[in-house]
This record gives sequence, structure tokens and C-alpha cells, in this order.
Amino acid sequence: KAGVTQTPRYLIKTRGQQVTLSCSPISGHRSVSWYQQTPGQGLQFLFEYFSETQRNKGNFPGRFSGRQFSNSRSEMNVSTLELGDSALYLCASSFRGADTEAFFGQGTRLTVV
Amino acid sequence: AQKITQTQPGMFVQEKEAVTLDCTYDTSDQSYGLFWYKQPSSGEMIFLIYQGSYDEQNATEGRYSLNFQKARKSANLVISASQLGDSAMYFCAMRKGAGGTSYGKLTFGQGTILTVHP
Repeated sequence: KAGVTQTPRYLIKTRGQQVTLSCSPISGHRSVSWYQQTPGQGLQFLFEYFSETQRNKGNFPGRFSGRQFSNSRSEMNVSTLELGDSALYLCASSFRGADTEAFFGQGTRLTVV
Repeated sequence: AQKITQTQPGMFVQEKEAVTLDCTYDTSDQSYGLFWYKQPSSGEMIFLIYQGSYDEQNATEGRYSLNFQKARKSANLVISASQLGDSAMYFCAMRKGAGGTSYGKLTFGQGTILTVHP
């Protein structure tokens, strides 16, 4: 079966703009969580969605938001981009969230200039 | 709060030899799960192996095994018969068990870069 799909793979944006990233989980998986990876901070949890509801949120400013649709696809939005938002954004898919497996997509590499 | 510590920034191993990547964790939860992921330079996080806190047997998946020592709070990854394709960054991660409020949240260590020499 198809894996986790993240689009786009690469993105270049200008400071102050906003961006939307997409994640399509594995078919049948209802939990999608998002992570930001930077060389300085490592992998940090952004938020998790399950059945269209945000269940958990990390320590990120309100500029970072997300949502999940009825087909479990999730989007993440970052408004008023800052240079420090440049990162690899990864989403993880699992059936319930509290599972023995969590599969990641290939990530979206965002560069803010 | 949960914390994962990977003390080896980089490791080198000869092809076909075994290597152990260290991971220690800190949590006050009784139920939790431990994961290992491989991240090649392409960026994708590849799931390798999982160990539940109540699992009595160490997890194994092909050439990967997890040396779980609960009392010491360690969950080391052992890769047997290393291959050149094993060169990558390796992350240890944990999450709370089912019934907790953190559900799918994974807490990651800083990672270990493994280089396999021919």
C-alpha cells in the first residue's frame, strides 16, 4: 500500500509570506502528527490530529496551525514566515497514534529567504 | 516530561561488523513505547523497530535488534552485519503508552550519524 505522501517536497518562500504543507497518511490511518527538524533544535513536535481533531500541540507560536480533513489528509499552515522557520517539516502517520508503528513521509524542505 | 539522550554524535563501523547505537531515556510513565528511525541524507525517516515498555522480549527486525534494559532506562539499537547502505542518521524516540494524553507525540533524541566503511 502507498506510504505517507508529503507535498510539496521543496519550497522557497519570502519572509512575511504564508505557506501550506500537505500530508496524506497511509490508507486507514487516522492519526497524523507534524514535526519540525532543524540542525539547531533537532526534531520538535508541532501537533497531532486524529479524526479531524487536534489532540496534542507542541510549543510553537500561533503562526503554526493545522487541520485534518475527513479523509485523514492533513495540512499545516505557517503564516508570517520568519527566517527561522526554514526547516524540514515531517509528518507521521499511524492508525491510532498510540501504536507500535509510526511512519513518516519524505518531508517538505522549506526555505525562507 | 520525557527525554531521550543519544550520547554518540557519530559512530564508525567496518562493513559486515556489528554496531551498537546508544539510547537512554527518562520518563515517569509506566507505559511507553520506544522507536528507532533511520534518516538517510534524502531526509525521509524510516521506521526500523519498536519496543513496548511491557514487552519482555527484546524486539528484533531482520538485522536490527533493540537491547532493552528497563531498569537502566536504555534502549540501544544493535545493527548486525553492517552494510554500506546503513550509513545514515539514526534517531531514538519515545512516546507515552495508550491511555496517556500525548497519544501520537514522539520525543526524539539528537541522533547519531553512522558511517559504514568498506
